[in-house]
Amino acid sequence: EDQVTQSPEALRLQEGESSSLNCSYTVSGLRGLFWYRQDPGKGPEFLFTLYSAGEEKEKERLKATLTKKESFLHITAPKPEDSATYLCAGQVRGGSNYKLTFGKGTLLTVNP
Amino acid sequence: EAQVTQNPRYLITVTGKKLTVTCSQNMNHEYMSWYRQDPGLGLRQIYYSMNVEVTDKGDVPEGYKVSRKEKRNFPLILESPSPNQTSLYFCASSLSGDTQYFGPGTRLTVL
Repeated sequence: EDQVTQSPEALRLQEGESSSLNCSYTVSGLRGLFWYRQDPGKGPEFLFTLYSAGEEKEKERLKATLTKKESFLHITAPKPEDSATYLCAGQVRGGSNYKLTFGKGTLLTVNP
Repeated sequence: EAQVTQNPRYLITVTGKKLTVTCSQNMNHEYMSWYRQDPGLGLRQIYYSMNVEVTDKGDVPEGYKVSRKEKRNFPLILESPSPNQTSLYFCASSLSGDTQYFGPGTRLTVL
């Protein structure tokens, strides 16, 4: 069974305190590893897609990396506006279905 | 503005009263999908559609129906809602199945 596990469940940081979120996956036939940001009461907002081990992508204070078993979302010098739930998802292609299998998310709180 | 819209955003209904949640996208995407999000369970796929008139089940399709008569629209139908369908529902669309863009969500409560 495909599984995506995120840790920690919640993380509280001080503004400027860098850290990393972890996403480990056991997804057979992984097509891509996705990171989304979700604010309360809103839909997931796309951040990154990673396709192969060793790949890295950056956007502002965020950098996503991928190995064969896990992905990390590194947050450098976070600001309060980075507070959100970060979701990781593995995508497989089954026939015509590009299903995303999501982890339960990491709730990040950045205090000023 | 490129977007996925859902209506209604909030709905409170009673057991057994048929309802439809609409989803529309203006990006000419071929792939559309419905997910539900529940505390402790995360997002789970209900149904998906690869193109007009082509739909198939996801992981949790029981109690739901969908149709895709037009490329831009993918409504979710609950013919006889039950309390265990109380959830937050998201529609997503994708050009070819790759990056999926999500709508704002519909919070459904079934009493």
